[in-house]
Amino acid sequence: DAGITQSPRYKITETGRQVTLMCHQTWSHSYMFWYRQDLGHGLRLIYYSAAADITDKGEVPDGYVVSRSKTENFPLTLESATRSQTSVYFCASSDSDSSYGYTFGSGTRLTVV
Amino acid sequence: AQSVTQPDIHITVSEGASLELRCNYSYGATPYLFWYVQSPGQGLQLLLKYFSGDTLVQGIKGFEAEFKRSQSSFNLRKPSVHWSDAAEYFCAVGMDTGRRALTFGSGTRLQVQP
Repeated sequence: DAGITQSPRYKITETGRQVTLMCHQTWSHSYMFWYRQDLGHGLRLIYYSAAADITDKGEVPDGYVVSRSKTENFPLTLESATRSQTSVYFCASSDSDSSYGYTFGSGTRLTVV
Repeated sequence: AQSVTQPDIHITVSEGASLELRCNYSYGATPYLFWYVQSPGQGLQLLLKYFSGDTLVQGIKGFEAEFKRSQSSFNLRKPSVHWSDAAEYFCAVGMDTGRRALTFGSGTRLQVQP
């Protein structure tokens, strides 16, 4: 199916474990983003990517790692999960045209216990 | 760095009443401005956007927003609210750079009373 999909939808992990959240888009959009959503903070940018093999930090990158070996995939890895990383994570993509419109995935709810 | 303020955390309106959600931004130049809506358990959907030109922009679902440079505001309006409009609304700002990353406000939760 066309679109942007995130997996898993829900994840519970233990403190200290590594966990990877997946994001896949079918449009070949150049730009991809990871945001986290926390009550009272709205969405905060973790990392973004302008193209394959080009990534950069956002507002809250500490404790996260990203890669983008293929245009369609943009996984987010928590190297050693902490309770403060309990959040809802959204992936988004945007084309390189001037429309600037984002398309969001449905989100991954991550709980670190 | 740009910032976005949504001063109302929670708003309750009656069905059929008019709605205005406030958004103020901080940025040195004219930014790109957006309103998104998020239904419970869902991702965000774009309602409308402003890049330049006419300061009153129309969006989906009967929403509109007006850019006021003098007030650094981009308020969202709807003349008659429907129960299905109950959701969380986010204002966002972007800059005309290659970065393309948006900065979001903290959101306003809209409740609609019958």
